[in-house]
Amino acid sequence: EAQVTQNPRYLITVTGKKLTVTCSQNMNHEYMSWYRQDPGLGLRQIYYSMNVEVTDKGDVPEGYKVSRKEKRNFPLILESPSPNQTSLYFCATFTSSDTQYFGPGTRLTVL
Amino acid sequence: AQSVTQPDIHITVSEGASLELRCNYSYGATPYLFWYVQSPGQGLQLLLKYFSGDTLVQGIKGFEAEFKRSQSSFNLRKPSVHWSDAAEYFCAAGQAGTALIFGKGTTLSVSS
Repeated sequence: EAQVTQNPRYLITVTGKKLTVTCSQNMNHEYMSWYRQDPGLGLRQIYYSMNVEVTDKGDVPEGYKVSRKEKRNFPLILESPSPNQTSLYFCATFTSSDTQYFGPGTRLTVL
Repeated sequence: AQSVTQPDIHITVSEGASLELRCNYSYGATPYLFWYVQSPGQGLQLLLKYFSGDTLVQGIKGFEAEFKRSQSSFNLRKPSVHWSDAAEYFCAAGQAGTALIFGKGTTLSVSS
C-alpha cells in the first residue's frame, strides 16, 4: 500500500528544545516536501527535495532544517523551536506526473 | 509571482443543492491543477487533478472540475451536496519539478 508516514503524530514541547519530525515513503518517489498548515493561511511549503542530497527552500523556511540522505526519508528538524512554529505539519511526496500523497500530519505545540 | 486564490473563505449550502467552489491561478504557463479535501482532524485527500487534455475532470465522491484557460480558473462542482461533504477544500497548482502552491482554502458547511 502506497504510504507516507510521519512521526510523531502529536508533539508538545518547550521553546528551544530541538526536535525532529520524521517522514518516510514507500513509493520510491523522488520529490518530497514539507508543509505547515495554519488557520486562514492554508498550506505553505517549508522545504522540498527533488532527489537525494537535493533540498530547496519553500515559502517559509526560517527556523527549519531538512535533510535527504536517502530517498525514502525526509526529516524536518527544528533546532530551536519557538511558539510561532506551533502548527500542523504535513509531509508529501509525488512524481511530476503522478498523484501527490500526503502524510497524516503532525500537530506540534511549542510552549 | 505565482499564486492560487480561493475567493470564498466559507460557503454554506443546503443538503441536496448544487455546489461550486472557485479557484483562480496565476502562473506563467498552465500549471497542473488539483483539488484536495480535508475533513476535521484528517489529512488531505486528493479529489481530482488536471494535467492536460479534457478540460472537464471527474474526481472521486461525485466531484468534477472544469479548467478554463481564458479565465485562469479551475472551479470545483458537485450537483448534489451531502452532509458528509462538509469539510475544507483546497485548490493547488504546480509545475513539473516544482512545489505545489495552495490556496487558503474554502470551508464548506452543509445545512439540512
